[in-house]
Amino acid sequence: NAGVMQNPRHLVRRRGQEARLRCSPMKGHSHVYWYRQLPEEGLKFMVYLQKENIIDESGMPKERFSAEFPKEGPSILRIQQVVRGDSAAYFCASSPGQTIAHYEQYFGPGTRLTVT
Amino acid sequence: KNQVEQSPQSLIILEGKNCTLQCNYTVSPFSNLRWYKQDTGRGPVSLTIMTFSENTKSNGRYTATLDADTKQSSLHITASQLSDSASYICVVSADRGANNLFFGTGTRLTVIP
Repeated sequence: NAGVMQNPRHLVRRRGQEARLRCSPMKGHSHVYWYRQLPEEGLKFMVYLQKENIIDESGMPKERFSAEFPKEGPSILRIQQVVRGDSAAYFCASSPGQTIAHYEQYFGPGTRLTVT
Repeated sequence: KNQVEQSPQSLIILEGKNCTLQCNYTVSPFSNLRWYKQDTGRGPVSLTIMTFSENTKSNGRYTATLDADTKQSSLHITASQLSDSASYICVVSADRGANNLFFGTGTRLTVIP
C-alpha cells in the first residue's frame, strides 16, 4: 500500500509563472489536506478537501491560490502568478475520515517550490 | 485563541542520553494530541496520538505524556540515537470544525556522537 505521493518533489518557477502541485492520497483515503511550511516555521493549514468538494479553505490566500480534488485523479494545488514569497515546502496529507473522528493523517514527502 | 507552543526551540544532546520535549496548548475544546517526527526534507510521521483520557503512551523509545488539566504534554526520548535527529512537532486537535488541527513550530533535536 503506497503512501501519500506528491509530485514534483522540487519545482522551480520564475515570478509570474504558474505552479501546479499534485497529491495522490493513500488508497482508500477520501480526505486531503494541504499545508505550507516556510523555512524555520511550523506547518500552516491551507485547505481541506473531500472528493469533488472543498470543505474548508480558510487557510488559503484569497487570490492566486486554488485547490481541487476531482472524482478521478490526484488533488491539485495551483498557484498562479507566483511571487518570491510563495517559496516554501507544500505538504499534502490524507486520512480515511475527518480528523475530528481521530483518524490518523498521513503526510506526503512534500513539494519544495522555489520562485526565482 | 487556539495555540500550541513548544520548547525548547532546539536541543543538542549526546548519543545515548535521554531528553524531554515540552508542548503547551490552549486549544479548546480538546480532542486529541499528536506528536510527529519530521526528518529534514520529509513529511511528518506520527509517533503517538492521545485522547483526553490517556495520560501516557509509548512507541518504542518514545514516551508521550498528557496532562489535560494543565494543558501540557511532553515527549521523552530514551537512549537517543543519531537517527533521532529531526524536528518533533506537537499537534493538537480541537473537537470542533473541519480545520481542527493546530501545529506547534516544533523542537529541532540534534543527536551528536
